[in-house]
Amino acid sequence: KNEVEQSPQNLTAQEGEFITINCSYSVGISALHWLQQHPGGGIVSLFMLSSGKKKHGRLIATINIQEKHSSLHITASHPRDSAVYICAVRSGNQFYFGTGTSLTVIP
Amino acid sequence: NAGVTQTPKFQVLKTGQSMTLQCAQDMNHEYMSWYRQDPGMGLRLIHYSVGAGITDQGEVPNGYNVSRSTTEDFPLRLLSAAPSQTSVYFCASSLGASGGYGYTFGSGTRLTVV
Repeated sequence: KNEVEQSPQNLTAQEGEFITINCSYSVGISALHWLQQHPGGGIVSLFMLSSGKKKHGRLIATINIQEKHSSLHITASHPRDSAVYICAVRSGNQFYFGTGTSLTVIP
Repeated sequence: NAGVTQTPKFQVLKTGQSMTLQCAQDMNHEYMSWYRQDPGMGLRLIHYSVGAGITDQGEVPNGYNVSRSTTEDFPLRLLSAAPSQTSVYFCASSLGASGGYGYTFGSGTRLTVV
């Protein structure tokens, strides 16, 4: 069973496009995280959400606790945004991760 | 440079051998954790610690031991390596368990058990 489901698994976009990555979860959570894994393997923490919406540069993350759903949006996408985006939820002291969305932005 | 340092970056073990993956952080983070990443399965939590002297199991703890004798270090021990433990291992830390200030990940250890 997967506590966290992400969609789509793979996404190819043209530079400048608006991108949405979705995350649904099935457990009660205290926080949801969005992570970015670069092609070289390094992982960077992008956002932590417990409610509402956060924005950092061209990245926007939203969460709907009642619907158990979060979205990560990228505005004006750029080839340097190409990476795997991972949704993770904290449930008690456990963390559960989605399998990631592989994004490729073509110039 | 401040951050999470993992060593080694690559390791090949024979079945039955033991080894320790090292993780150190210099940010005075309370929370440290170990994950493994396998193709198609995403990251999975192995063990975590909320402070020196305190450790607990994650989703996939079997075959791994941890200890937290200092705030800075959180080594992961494989007691008797098995091919099923072939994976990429990441260590991460945060100021608090909730990760409200974000998590800092190490660069990963690619382990192959033959």
